[in-house]
Amino acid sequence: GAVVSQHPSWVICKSGTSVKIECRSLDFQATTMFWYRQFPKQSLMLMATSNEGSKATYEQGVEKDKFLINHASLTLSTLTVTSAHPEDSSFYICSASLPETPGELFFGEGSRLTVL
Amino acid sequence: AQSVAQPEDQVNVAEGNPLTVKCTYSVSGNPYLFWYVQYPNRGLQFLLKYITGDNLVKGSYGFEAEFNKSQTSFHLKKPSALVSDSALYFCAVTSNFNKFYFGSGTKLNVKP
Repeated sequence: GAVVSQHPSWVICKSGTSVKIECRSLDFQATTMFWYRQFPKQSLMLMATSNEGSKATYEQGVEKDKFLINHASLTLSTLTVTSAHPEDSSFYICSASLPETPGELFFGEGSRLTVL
Repeated sequence: AQSVAQPEDQVNVAEGNPLTVKCTYSVSGNPYLFWYVQYPNRGLQFLLKYITGDNLVKGSYGFEAEFNKSQTSFHLKKPSALVSDSALYFCAVTSNFNKFYFGSGTKLNVKP
């Protein structure tokens, strides 16, 4: 099956620094990837849809200057949390789907960000 | 507006007993429904989906779900629960495969 990998799985950083999270499709090409944020005991909140070679589409209320998304290739999308603050601490998850099975999302393992 | 409701934060069941995790949805257009499972500090894993056809769909690990259009429900079921089924379960809906709306999740506890 399709495999999506995220790195790092856990990162701790100081307030004011920037953190980059990578999402890779290991055995398929993902023209579209989705970035979610998950708060404790809550559902996944779609942050943005990342399209290869074009700008990401952000959901309402998500600061695109703070959460920079780059989808430079068909197998890699990155989320950079700029000038991170403690309220940005969360579990960030990416996902992708295969064109032949629309709707069957394959999720990365998630990246837990803790901002001190 | 599109939304998913999972009315139970937690479901407790004894091993060997049947389990049900409830999900209702609201969507404009045709609903395409999904169940995912999440283990601690992990991403989500696909369990099953309803796109079209038979209302009863079977998925991974012996789980099944029934699409009920009149009740706008898509409850997840398993005839005999295992301790290893203990996890967080999410129901999701989409009408266009561009945006997926997830429920708040239900924690399933299966006790030996």
